[in-house]
Amino acid sequence: AQSVTQLDSHVSVSEGTPVLLRCNYSSSYSPSLFWYVQHPNKGLQLLLKYTSAATLVKGINGFEAEFKKSETSFHLTKPSAHMSDAAEYFCVVAVSGGYNKLIFGAGTRLAVHP
Amino acid sequence: SAVISQKPSRDICQRGTSLTIQCQVDSQVTMMFWYRQQPGQSLTLIATANQGSEATYESGFVIDKFPISRPNLTFSTLTVSNMSPEDSSIYLCSVGQGNSNQPQHFGDGTRLSIL
Repeated sequence: AQSVTQLDSHVSVSEGTPVLLRCNYSSSYSPSLFWYVQHPNKGLQLLLKYTSAATLVKGINGFEAEFKKSETSFHLTKPSAHMSDAAEYFCVVAVSGGYNKLIFGAGTRLAVHP
Repeated sequence: SAVISQKPSRDICQRGTSLTIQCQVDSQVTMMFWYRQQPGQSLTLIATANQGSEATYESGFVIDKFPISRPNLTFSTLTVSNMSPEDSSIYLCSVGQGNSNQPQHFGDGTRLSIL
């Protein structure tokens, strides 16, 4: 069965410093992995996806993630945090079998300080 | 990506009542899903809304409590029945094309508070 573990429930950074949000996954198959962001009082927005192509995936707003099979990780990074990046971030794995069902991590709340 | 509209965006309801949430998509989609996000929590899948047939519910969710309709490929409703304060959550609709390689896209959610 697939699962995801987000290693940090809260991350706090200063504006202009790098962001690292950690995610480990478990999957018997080659997984499809996603990062979503949820700003306050909003729905979920797709940041990026990994679907067995390039292991380094670039997303919107300067975010990227690297798929590392040997470490079963899919960490999200950004070189320089912006105040507008403050939000909840979810690492997500798709259930294999083509059903398009998703399993969500617990989420990481990112705070960005001036 | 598809544009998804959810109504209402928020509501405050009395316990024992029911509320129907609507999800409208601007294009035909294969899959529609309903999620619950309890306060401070992650998302949990309630059910997959199947066009023309009964919804497929996840463990812990039943049709009597969360009846779902999907009359066509662009519209679905979720009803939260006989509400209690424990039902206070964000309810989100999402859509997908039935392929695990493709992401789901989400509406803005319905913020529901039960008094």
